[in-house]
Amino acid sequence: EDQVTQSPEALRLQEGESSSLNCSYTVSGLRGLFWYRQDPGKGPEFLFTLYSAGEEKEKERLKATLTKKESFLHITAPKPEDSATYLCAVQGGGSGGYNKLIFGAGTRLAVHP
Amino acid sequence: AAGVIQSPRHLIKEKRETATLKCYPIPRHDTVYWYQQGPGQDPQFLISFYEKMQSDKGSIPDRFSAQQFSDYHSELNMSSLELGDSALYFCASSSRSRNRETQYFGPGTRLLVL
Repeated sequence: EDQVTQSPEALRLQEGESSSLNCSYTVSGLRGLFWYRQDPGKGPEFLFTLYSAGEEKEKERLKATLTKKESFLHITAPKPEDSATYLCAVQGGGSGGYNKLIFGAGTRLAVHP
Repeated sequence: AAGVIQSPRHLIKEKRETATLKCYPIPRHDTVYWYQQGPGQDPQFLISFYEKMQSDKGSIPDRFSAQQFSDYHSELNMSSLELGDSALYFCASSSRSRNRETQYFGPGTRLLVL
């Protein structure tokens, strides 16, 4: 069964304190791994898509990497406006449909000044 | 850039009533997905449509139905509402025909069943 596990559940950082969020996955035939940012009561905002092991993508203070079993979202010198829940999702090619996203429970990030 | 549009943004219904949620995908996107997100939970896939045909089905109750119209907008119809249906309902869209799998989410409809 396709599964996504994110850790930690919650993370508190001081402004400027870099860290990483982890997303471990089990999926039949990975078609893509996605990172989203979600603010309370709002829709998930797309950040990155990763398709194959070894791939990396960057956007401002964020960098996403992918291996065959997990993905990391590295946050460099975070600012308070980076506070949000970060969701990891996978799209697999197994039975039950190939295009739905399976989400992890998310990491709630709080960055304090 | 144009985003996914959902309406209404907020909806309050009584138990056993019906509700219709609407989703307008990003222009030229041909695939629409519906997700349900309960309080403190991750989004759960309900159903998807590609080129107006049902593409995939997840944990959607039999009381719910959905369709995609010729202009690619989609509607989620919910009947015999229960208290447990209170949640955020998100629509997402993508362009499968252009092999772009990334799903872009709308702002959501917050449904409260009393």
